[in-house]
Amino acid sequence: GAGVSQTPSNKVTEKGKYVELRCDPISGHTALYWYRQSLGQGPEFLIYFQGTGAADDSGLPNDRFFAVRPEGSVSTLKIQRTERGDSAVYLCASSRSLAGDNEQFFGPGTRLTVL
Amino acid sequence: SQQGEEDPQALSIQEGENATMNCSYKTSINNLQWYRQNSGRGLVHLILIRSNEREKHSGRLRVTLDTSKKSSSLLITASRAADTASYFCATDARAGKSTFGDGTTLTVKP
Repeated sequence: GAGVSQTPSNKVTEKGKYVELRCDPISGHTALYWYRQSLGQGPEFLIYFQGTGAADDSGLPNDRFFAVRPEGSVSTLKIQRTERGDSAVYLCASSRSLAGDNEQFFGPGTRLTVL
Repeated sequence: SQQGEEDPQALSIQEGENATMNCSYKTSINNLQWYRQNSGRGLVHLILIRSNEREKHSGRLRVTLDTSKKSSSLLITASRAADTASYFCATDARAGKSTFGDGTTLTVKP
């Protein structure tokens, strides 16, 4: 079956603009995760969802970042008033549940560049 | 700051040799996972080892976990050029929140 998909694959925007990044998880996966990865570093946790609710959003860097998953499937990561420091690859992953031994399946990521 | 730290940061070997990467972490964990990443994009899950396990095998991969030293190692035997990638360890102190290290970049020369 299809894996995790993310759109767009690349996004270039100007400082101060608003962007939305989309994640389509694997069908039936109830848990969904967002990470951010800067060059030369490992993924940094942002937020995860169990169903429609954000179970832990402690990784969101500030209130410019927000994520939703209204129907428990597709999720959108929203960044307001983008800054150059927001440039990174944003990775989405999903798993069958939040149980600790459930494998996370990652999407290819969205490369965000803020000019 | 990241929970896990991989060592070495970079490793270059010849095809057919074994590659060993290490991961150290700071707090108690439920499990530890290893991932591979090609070309800076999506990660592929390799293996999960639970905190009550000491060793696990999957094909050419062997993972060990020493909770007393808060460390893990990933061994890739008989390496191939296709193994060239970045390898990350990730720890789960609680369900859902994985903390990654900064990875080891492995280059396997044909």
